Amino acid sequence: EILLTQSPGILSLSPGERATLSCRASQSVSSNLAWYQQKPGQAPRFLIYGASSRVTGIPDRFSGSGSGTDFTLTISRLEPEDFAVYYCHQYGSLPRTFGQGTKVEIK
Amino acid sequence: EVLLVESGGGLVQPGGSLRLSCAASGFTFSNHWMTWVRQAPGKGLEWVANIKQDGSEKYYVDSVKGRFTIFRDNAHNSLYLQMNSLRVEDTALYYCARNGGAPEHWGQGTLVTVSS
Repeated sequence: EILLTQSPGILSLSPGERATLSCRASQSVSSNLAWYQQKPGQAPRFLIYGASSRVTGIPDRFSGSGSGTDFTLTISRLEPEDFAVYYCHQYGSLPRTFGQGTKVEIK
Repeated sequence: EVLLVESGGGLVQPGGSLRLSCAASGFTFSNHWMTWVRQAPGKGLEWVANIKQDGSEKYYVDSVKGRFTIFRDNAHNSLYLQMNSLRVEDTALYYCARNGGAPEHWGQGTLVTVSS
């Protein structure tokens, strides 16, 4: 099973700041890495697939990068609606796995 | 519009069984892999199982192997999760999701509580 480790666990930032979230895989997943946003009481929202491809309708302030074992989700300028929990997910190997999440909170 | 609606959750005693359903609409159900993901209260997401378009391939996380069965009815655009020998640690909100490569569209979930 591929373990995904996200860091930091909590990111405290102000609106307008840049957020950088990390996801590290215990072995290579190539580019089979996705990112999700989840707000309280809501289902996860699909943001990024293929490590760097933005889902249709997702604002361009969200960007993903990386391949192999090291991945990054960057939010260039935080908007109030971006404060949420973010999960990475690998779909290159079975069983599929999720990271434990990074909470982006208002500082 | 893609719509996934889960049902069948509830309170069950340890060792009991439940069958979850997911009604799909707004897309050609038989063209897509489908997935179940769960989320324990206050915890992160856990991938549970997925199933190929024709049901010929099914995969599970180790913790549910031998207890849970994923299956589908393409004629009725429905996905199911049969859960047997339920444990307290199976308590979670269970989501069904439509796959591209990764799960892309999600339902709102159905809550399963395993408690005596």
